[in-house]
Amino acid sequence: QKEVEQNSGPLSVPEGAIASLNCTYSDRGSQSFFWYRQYSGKSPELIMSIYSNGDKEDGRFTAQLNKASQYVSLLIRDSQPSDSATYLCASYAGGTSYGKLTFGQGTILTVHP
Amino acid sequence: DAEITQSPRHKITETGRQVTLACHQTWNHNNMFWYRQDLGHGLRLIHYSYGVHDTNKGEVSDGYSVSRSNTEDLPLTLESAASSQTSVYFCASAGLPDGELFFGEGSRLTVL
Repeated sequence: QKEVEQNSGPLSVPEGAIASLNCTYSDRGSQSFFWYRQYSGKSPELIMSIYSNGDKEDGRFTAQLNKASQYVSLLIRDSQPSDSATYLCASYAGGTSYGKLTFGQGTILTVHP
Repeated sequence: DAEITQSPRHKITETGRQVTLACHQTWNHNNMFWYRQDLGHGLRLIHYSYGVHDTNKGEVSDGYSVSRSNTEDLPLTLESAASSQTSVYFCASAGLPDGELFFGEGSRLTVL
């Protein structure tokens, strides 16, 4: 069973702090990785994608990928209460998994004022 | 604006009844997916389609079926609803195989 694992949390950080969300995956053939944000009662929305080792920054968000360690992370700088949501990590393996993402169970993030 | 819509948004049914959840997208995407979301399990793939008349089973397909007669629609049918199928169901579409998934608003199904 190819898996994506996340700490379900909840992760609680004060406003203005850095929130660090982590994800590990079991399939070494995974090519691409995604972070989706899901507000309570809403549908997931893509906030970051990363395809190669290293860091990728987009505004307050930084995704980090280490394929050797099979590890993906998302850093949220200057966290705001509006960042409070569930964050889903997903991987894409390609090949026979064409078009299919494998999702982790999600990490609940709470940013308190 | 292009969108993906699901109906009904909320449904309560009884064990053994047939239920169909509709999904309609105006992105003109070939790839469409049905996921269910349960506490502690994240999103699990039920069925997916790469185009008209193409359907494939995902990891939790037992008790579900889909059909794809046009690009826009992928209805999900529960042949005989079971309490274990109480869940939130999300339809999604994608233009590229490893690209962004666009999700519908979700359909909350309760099977009593």
